[in-house]
Amino acid sequence: GAGVSQSPRYKVAKRGQDVALRCDPISGHVSLFWYQQALGQGPEFLTYFQNEAQLDKSGLPSDRFFAERPEGSVSTLKIQRTQQEDSAVYLCASSLVPRDPLYEQYFGPGTRLTVT
Amino acid sequence: DAKTTQPNSMESNEEEPVHLPCNHSTISGTDYIHWYRQLPSQGPEYVIHGLTSNVNNRMASLAIAEDRKSSTLILHRATLRDAAVYYCILKGGAGGTSYGKLTFGQGTILTVHP
Repeated sequence: GAGVSQSPRYKVAKRGQDVALRCDPISGHVSLFWYQQALGQGPEFLTYFQNEAQLDKSGLPSDRFFAERPEGSVSTLKIQRTQQEDSAVYLCASSLVPRDPLYEQYFGPGTRLTVT
Repeated sequence: DAKTTQPNSMESNEEEPVHLPCNHSTISGTDYIHWYRQLPSQGPEYVIHGLTSNVNNRMASLAIAEDRKSSTLILHRATLRDAAVYYCILKGGAGGTSYGKLTFGQGTILTVHP
């Protein structure tokens, strides 16, 4: 069956440009997470959606980062005025049931963002 | 979130068993122990999880110490495809407010030699 997909897989942006990263979660999954993974590090939580509601955005590093999931399925992570420190792999994950420790998260392949 | 400690790296030979340790001395009674792995250039994938009892699935086994302060992920016969970064993560019970987000550490880089 279809897993979590992300697009684009690779994005090169010049410093100061805006970027939009897309995530298509597994159909029917209520929970959607965004993570940021710097080179050589483990993923770090950015934000969480339960259906269309953004319930936790405590991990967003600055107000240049914005995420939405307007219809409770596809999500977009937008970064305005990109900086070099934004260079990382951005991972999206979805899960069937919110807040249940038994349910695994399914990750997409990630979008590698390089800011030059 | 309670913290986990793993060795930075481990090595194994193909077709030999691998034991990946994880210490979590501050684990709470409602924390589940989850393992994920990340193959090169891919997103993490779920491996196994447990609460108190040892667990087996098609990918691996999880051995949990009686006091729950440590656990070991066991790959019974390592293959080249098992070369990855393995993350041990504590995930709180359903009553928490973390919404199930995963807190990754540095993980253990597993190298498998042919």
